[in-house]
Amino acid sequence: NAGVMQNPRHLVRRRGQEARLRCSPMKGHSHVYWYRQLPEEGLKFMVYLQKENIIDESGMPKERFSAEFPKEGPSILRIQQVVRGDSAAYFCASSRDRSSYNEQFFGPGTRLTVL
Amino acid sequence: RKEVEQDPGPFNVPEGATVAFNCTYSNSASQSFFWYRQDCRKEPKLLMSVYSSGNEDGRFTAQLNRASQYISLLIRDSKLSDSATYLCAPSQSGGSNYKLTFGKGTLLTVNP
Repeated sequence: NAGVMQNPRHLVRRRGQEARLRCSPMKGHSHVYWYRQLPEEGLKFMVYLQKENIIDESGMPKERFSAEFPKEGPSILRIQQVVRGDSAAYFCASSRDRSSYNEQFFGPGTRLTVL
Repeated sequence: RKEVEQDPGPFNVPEGATVAFNCTYSNSASQSFFWYRQDCRKEPKLLMSVYSSGNEDGRFTAQLNRASQYISLLIRDSKLSDSATYLCAPSQSGGSNYKLTFGKGTLLTVNP
């Protein structure tokens, strides 16, 4: 499967725990984007990364959230000390380049539930 | 004005019908526009990309009106499998043109 891969598909955490979401981009893509979709809401941009670089994290909450895309391995979105309001679907997308004509392809998402 | 506005629907149409959705956007400098479809609790799937006045792909036609800042999606000969939520996503402008701003989507149900 050459598509965007995300795992886990479902993640349940208790308040105060950490959540780690992983994303492997499509083959040949080096640009990764994370979006969050709250219930009944549209997808909201969180962060844009290239290998070893965070390009734009303007959509990510300043506290508790961090993202990385190491030289080897998947991109990781990390949420520390989760709260109920973090419950959402987190989608990762990838693209071949960053031009305005880039097409972003989405992974199946990770549904985070905070108890 | 919201960045991206879509009629939430639902649109209920019979098989074979033609249906159109509109999407208005506030950023006049947006260069690229994308339509995605999202099935319930699944990921958005890219349907069409629009960079100039419009695009056509089989039963789907997208038209862009930059002067009025809206983009439309027309579906001809609707199939049951077209039932989904359709998301409009203009790109932002300038140095942030990689950033997509999504509308909340329009729900379409095609009935037998």
